[in-house]
Amino acid sequence: QVQLQESGPGLVKPSETLSLTCTVSGGSVSSGSYYWSWIRQPPGKGLEWIGYIYYSGSTNYNPSLKSRVTISVDTSKNQFSLKLSSVTAADTAVYYCAREIVVVTARLFDPWGQGTLVTVSS
Amino acid sequence: DIQMTQSPSSLSASVGDRVTITCQASQDISNYLNWYQQKPGKAPKLLIYDASNLETGVPSRFSGSGSGTDFTFTISSLQPEDIATYYCQQYDNLSYTFGQGTKLEIK
Repeated sequence: QVQLQESGPGLVKPSETLSLTCTVSGGSVSSGSYYWSWIRQPPGKGLEWIGYIYYSGSTNYNPSLKSRVTISVDTSKNQFSLKLSSVTAADTAVYYCAREIVVVTARLFDPWGQGTLVTVSS
Repeated sequence: DIQMTQSPSSLSASVGDRVTITCQASQDISNYLNWYQQKPGKAPKLLIYDASNLETGVPSRFSGSGSGTDFTFTISSLQPEDIATYYCQQYDNLSYTFGQGTKLEIK
């Protein structure tokens, strides 16, 4: 059973870079069957997809965040990571990592990590 | 960007009630729509994919329908453990957006 766990600083200063890592257990990020995504949720608000990476390193980002986002994968550690630059208070959110499964034409997020709250504040 | 309009934003119903949530896409997304359940303090959980396919292990009281721009999510008989916020999510053209969510409460 695949499990995902986010880790990283819970507090980031404005204008700095937010960095998070997702560790995958019970499965491999090198599996060609899956993509690996980041999704965030500001406190009390809805969900926003940030982007995904394939094990080969191919990425796809939300156009609204594309200029500030980098997602990378480390197959040797079975991890993938998120960097979001020039953060502001608007980037305060619970950040989730998730596995994206492609089933014929369907693309779905399952499972998700438990989420980690990142607060942007000086 | 494809916008997803979900309604209602909140809903109060009694145990045993039939509950319906709708999601409208700003353009045709075929059947490229998922539904998730999120309980307080927890990560979302997949319930329905491809608009109408029930994820393995999800109770049969949950169902989804629709295609194109208009979609419906139904709980046939509301149970106390169904209290949560529900989100639709489209995945057309490799860009994903979620609806605003529907918070479901017990009356």
